[in-house]
Amino acid sequence: AQTVTQSQPEMSVQEAETVTLSCTYDTSESDYYLFWYKQPPSRQMILVIRQEAYKQQNATENRFSVNFQKAAKSFSLKISDSQLGDAAMYFCAYRRFSGNTPLVFGKGTRLSVIA
Amino acid sequence: DVKVTQSSRYLVKRTGEKVFLECVQDMDHENMFWYRQDPGLGLRLIYFSYDVKMKEKGDIPEGYSVSREKKERFSLILESASTNQTSMYLCASSLRGGGNTEAFFGQGTRLTVV
Repeated sequence: AQTVTQSQPEMSVQEAETVTLSCTYDTSESDYYLFWYKQPPSRQMILVIRQEAYKQQNATENRFSVNFQKAAKSFSLKISDSQLGDAAMYFCAYRRFSGNTPLVFGKGTRLSVIA
Repeated sequence: DVKVTQSSRYLVKRTGEKVFLECVQDMDHENMFWYRQDPGLGLRLIYFSYDVKMKEKGDIPEGYSVSREKKERFSLILESASTNQTSMYLCASSLRGGGNTEAFFGQGTRLTVV
């Protein structure tokens, strides 16, 4: 079974600074998808960014980018120019490439942004 | 704007009650999911449904059942609520297949069993 590990229960960052959230996963499959979801204090979870494992290029969405290291099974999220609105729980998630399967989530990292 | 709507944001029930958590999506998605969220444990899958009347157990189905009579609605049922089922419950939906498809979430239901 696939597992996702987020080793940092809590992180903090100064406004305008850069922060990196860590995620590792375990799978025996060669093709899969990885996601970062954000859950603000209002609780509605939203997708931040996704990465296809067969693509070597790291995904980027505005201030959010990932560092995908397939051999190391690592998928970290970098937030640049942090803003107060970035404060949230961040969840890393995995899904198999094929088949109709649900997301597998990590335990989450709570990010605080300090003004 | 896509929407997944959960019927209640907060719910307080007594031990032994039968509890229904309702979820409705307006995106014509085939897949619907129920997750439980607890501090330090992340999101754990309770059940998911890939079609009307179809369901599969997730990681923690004990004490729960589900119902999907219509494509847009997925209900989570606690047959006899217990205090250890006090938690945040999240509903989600997605298109079928395609590993990169986005899952859309509801706002969550905070259930307290007393």
